[in-house]
Amino acid sequence: EVQLVESGGGLIQPGGSLRLSCAASGFTVSSNYISWVRQAPGKGLEWVSIIYSDGSTYYIDSVKGRFTISRDTSHNTVSLQMNSLRADDTAVYYCAGPYNPNYLDHWGQGTLVTVSS
Amino acid sequence: EIVLTQSPATLSLSPGERATLSCRASHSVGSYLAWYQQKPGQPPRLLIYDASTRIPGIPARFSGSGSGTDFTLTISSLEPEDFAVYYCQQRSSWPRTFGRGTKVEI
Repeated sequence: EVQLVESGGGLIQPGGSLRLSCAASGFTVSSNYISWVRQAPGKGLEWVSIIYSDGSTYYIDSVKGRFTISRDTSHNTVSLQMNSLRADDTAVYYCAGPYNPNYLDHWGQGTLVTVSS
Repeated sequence: EIVLTQSPATLSLSPGERATLSCRASHSVGSYLAWYQQKPGQPPRLLIYDASTRIPGIPARFSGSGSGTDFTLTISSLEPEDFAVYYCQQRSSWPRTFGRGTKVEI
């Protein structure tokens, strides 16, 4: 059974850094696709980043150069390193995947990131 | 960036009624559109992809149709558990984008 469990969220000051982790079970991250999607409080969904099975990555413009997605095959996890955080990065961050790079067939429960002074 | 416009923003219906949700794309996305359901405090759940293909386990009362720029999600007879927010999402181009959602309320 596919399971995705996010961790690492919290309260951070503007300009700070945070690293989110997505622990996967029921499949191997190295052979599949994992995305990060965020949802600001009371708002809609935004597909932030994806790491493909071949290791290639994609980011939306607003996080390019600030966020980095990576995977750790030994621990079967995918991480999102977030630097230079801004107030508009405040959201619940979900990891999702893993079998289709175009649609999100499984989701974790999400982790809340709050960027505020 | 492809903008997806969902209408109406809110749909007020009763159990047993038919729900018709619309998603319009700013450019053609072919058949590359999905629908998700989200309940309060939960992550979204994929219902339909490629406009009309239902995910296994999703009840047959959910159906999707459309192509190009105009898409519809139909719930033939609302059950109490169907009251939620529904999002459409396109996979035709990057960035993948979502609509702002339609809330189906009692």
